[in-house]
Amino acid sequence: GQQLNQSPQSMFIQEGEDVSMNCTSSSIFNTWLWYKQDPGEGPVLLIALYKAGELTSNGRLTAQFGITRKDSFLNISASIPSDVGIYFCAGQLKDQGAQKLVFGQGTRLTINP
Amino acid sequence: GAGVSQSPRYKVAKRGQDVALRCDPISGHVSLFWYQQALGQGPEFLTYFQNEAQLDKSGLPSDRFFAERPEGSVSTLKIQRTQQEDSAVYLCASSPFLNQPQHFGDGTRLSIL
Repeated sequence: GQQLNQSPQSMFIQEGEDVSMNCTSSSIFNTWLWYKQDPGEGPVLLIALYKAGELTSNGRLTAQFGITRKDSFLNISASIPSDVGIYFCAGQLKDQGAQKLVFGQGTRLTINP
Repeated sequence: GAGVSQSPRYKVAKRGQDVALRCDPISGHVSLFWYQQALGQGPEFLTYFQNEAQLDKSGLPSDRFFAERPEGSVSTLKIQRTQQEDSAVYLCASSPFLNQPQHFGDGTRLSIL
């Protein structure tokens, strides 16, 4: 099925470091979302972006909706142990019949002690 | 509870058996979605309901997969004559209305022996 290109696939960092991940698509989306998934749990919404060029923060997290509407990035500043997990980007079209989310393959974040 | 509830959390079935997975969306949420998540991958869209109407079933992999939401609240995903490739986590999500962020349940992990 269709998926977004998300990179990197995995990251190994030290506590306190900043993190950056991004997502690209060949298709235009009207909404970009970022989710975090812990083992055995469902994805939890972190940030939603609705407008091209929009830059939104949620605590230590910052995400941007690319101008072309084909990409987005997520930054995490001053990482802490609870940031460990898998981060997914997702794109959505604003169409009554096409409400589905298209997901990236995830970025697995590991924090070295 | 306040979130999306899915049951059972784990299901083991023998190849060829039929299974039924249940989703209780957040109260009042109009839109309901089913996704399939293979190990190490992002979720992939299966089907979408707006109230009781199934508006998009383009992601259902075969006619063995069937979903319903008869009263516009609880939904059931049924898989007939299960096969090993059906093994995955099945996630349900709901949103208040069109174009609103989707909130996920913790999924049902289905294993076909």
